[in-house]
Amino acid sequence: GAVVSQHPSWVICKSGTSVKIECRSLDFQATTMFWYRQFPKQSLMLMATSNEGSKATYEQGVEKDKFLINHASLTLSTLTVTSAHPEDSSFYICSAGDRNQPQHFGDGTRLSIL
Amino acid sequence: GQQVMQIPQYQHVQEGEDFTTYCNSSTTLSNIQWYKQRPGGHPVFLIQLVKSGEVKKQKRLTFQFGEAKKNSSLHITATQTTDVGTYFCAGRKAGGTSYGKLTFGQGTILTVHP
Repeated sequence: GAVVSQHPSWVICKSGTSVKIECRSLDFQATTMFWYRQFPKQSLMLMATSNEGSKATYEQGVEKDKFLINHASLTLSTLTVTSAHPEDSSFYICSAGDRNQPQHFGDGTRLSIL
Repeated sequence: GQQVMQIPQYQHVQEGEDFTTYCNSSTTLSNIQWYKQRPGGHPVFLIQLVKSGEVKKQKRLTFQFGEAKKNSSLHITATQTTDVGTYFCAGRKAGGTSYGKLTFGQGTILTVHP
């Protein structure tokens, strides 16, 4: 079945650091990928829709300058958390799939900002 | 915007008891998907329902999509300890140009006591 790889799995870094998270579709091409954020025991909150070759579409309340998304190829989208602070600590997860097909999720990235 | 409400938030059952989680959307859906997330893991796709009134079964799991395509349920018969996890519904809004993005319910955390 379709596989989505997300890297890294864990990040622990100092406040003020920028962190890049990669999401790759390994066996299919994804023109659209989605980035979510999940707090403990809560649901997945969509942050943005990543579109290959064009600007990402951000959900209301998500700072686009804070969470930079790049989708330069049909198999790779990246999320960069710029100048991360402790409140940015969370579980970030990407997904990919065709328009009306099930989404395949990456393993997620646990980000801890000290 | 679109909202997807899911109840209950928590469910504790004894092994062998049945379990049901309910999902209700504020808007008509083109389809609804169900995911299971184990503690520490990422959401794993279970099933997609597309047709009004559709019922699908996977072994002990029964999924239903309402006639109005605004609500859905997941029923597990005779729960086992391996059923532990959080069950999410996720709906795609009918029509529009939302790139197929999903709106997740809050999830139901299922605990099964042996």
